[in-house]
Amino acid sequence: IAGITQAPTSQILAAGRRMTLRCTQDMRHNAMYWYRQDLGLGLRLIHYSNTAGTTGKGEVPDGYSVSRANTDDFPLTLASAVPSQTSVYFCASRTGAGELFFGEGSRLTVL
Amino acid sequence: KQEVTQIPAALSVPEGENLVLNCSFTDSAIYNLQWFRQDPGKGLTSLLLIQSSQREQTSGRLNASLDKSSGRSTLYIAASQPGDSATYLCATQGGGNKLTFGTGTQLKVEL
Repeated sequence: IAGITQAPTSQILAAGRRMTLRCTQDMRHNAMYWYRQDLGLGLRLIHYSNTAGTTGKGEVPDGYSVSRANTDDFPLTLASAVPSQTSVYFCASRTGAGELFFGEGSRLTVL
Repeated sequence: KQEVTQIPAALSVPEGENLVLNCSFTDSAIYNLQWFRQDPGKGLTSLLLIQSSQREQTSGRLNASLDKSSGRSTLYIAASQPGDSATYLCATQGGGNKLTFGTGTQLKVEL
């Protein structure tokens, strides 16, 4: 059972570099999400997609972009990474009944 | 704006004890509430999803209740085991598919 696969699991990145975090699901869920999790701040929504071809901004979208070319893939791109983007990033998808499933996370350090 | 609170932030109990984790929310206009567990360095694992029309859901030793009118949900864990040690988070889904997470209760079950 694959569920949601995220890559890379961990990455150290120099400030100013471009980075794409990959997310693939095999459950054919329409809705997908990107969250960041920071100590003391909990989970914050970055971007979401209700269905292939559509995306929307979440609570903290600045500095991030997403695309949803098909149902399975939902990559998150940092155009020019900054140290404040050091975080653990989680991709999630949601069933029609509202149940959320998460990937294992991508730990990103921006130096 | 929905606010989800989980108290206590941390809890330590001896093995075998029955325990209750609390989740409160300020806006009762929710579609559902979901409980998750998160192990260190891992993603969130869905435990139970309660739809707004339901009062409780059960899975094994876990029972979650929902009282929309009072803005509360509880997660009951029976006969706790060391393997239950994790952080437990609740999340509400409101209008516009907006999900709001609590900051979690860190549970430690000691031998």
